Amino acid sequence: QKEVEQNSGPLSVPEGAIASLNCTYSDRVSQSFFWYRQYSGKSPELIMSIYSNGDKEDGRFTAQLNKASQYVSLLIRDSQPSDSATYLCAVSKWDDKIIFGKGTRLHILP
Amino acid sequence: EAQVTQNPRYLITVTGKKLTVTCSQNMNHEYMSWYRQDPGLGLRQIYYSMNVEVTDKGDVPEGYKVSRKEKRNFPLILESPSPNQTSLYFCASSARLAGGPGELFFGEGSRLTVL
Repeated sequence: QKEVEQNSGPLSVPEGAIASLNCTYSDRVSQSFFWYRQYSGKSPELIMSIYSNGDKEDGRFTAQLNKASQYVSLLIRDSQPSDSATYLCAVSKWDDKIIFGKGTRLHILP
Repeated sequence: EAQVTQNPRYLITVTGKKLTVTCSQNMNHEYMSWYRQDPGLGLRQIYYSMNVEVTDKGDVPEGYKVSRKEKRNFPLILESPSPNQTSLYFCASSARLAGGPGELFFGEGSRLTVL
């Protein structure tokens, strides 16, 4: 089982709709969870961090964490063409390693 | 301006010629890390450091060395580069939170080609 798994996509979503990105992780004692966005040819940048069960909202973005199911998700409301990118899920493990999923390519259709 | 600076940004070298990729951060972060990014494989952690003189192997450390003599610098050393080390390399740093490293700040990346 991979440590952090994401659907590679591409995920195509119409402009203005909600994009839903999912991530599962294998290490039950992981404590910190992150979503990064990476545009082609650029370095990753943080979108959201989440540390406890439940939802965390920041503008158009909502991160959801369910530790019992070992599941993290990112919702993007009112999707814009500028949201087209690869989204990386990352998990901080007990030994301070930070493991990334392979990323989901998101394409917002104008 | 808060930043992580990597050099060189682009490098073409030949098999066996030692090289060093430098990384420096100005945010006083305790945690620093190197990743490589390859198509289809995503970001994989090479080495990380939780503080000065403390380094640990990530998931793909073979063929690489690091050192952390100063808090701000974390160079990546390829003693004898091979073609399978052709990749895009990212240095990143983070403040250390109670539960471990927090948000990673990434450098702009170093594209390395080994012929």
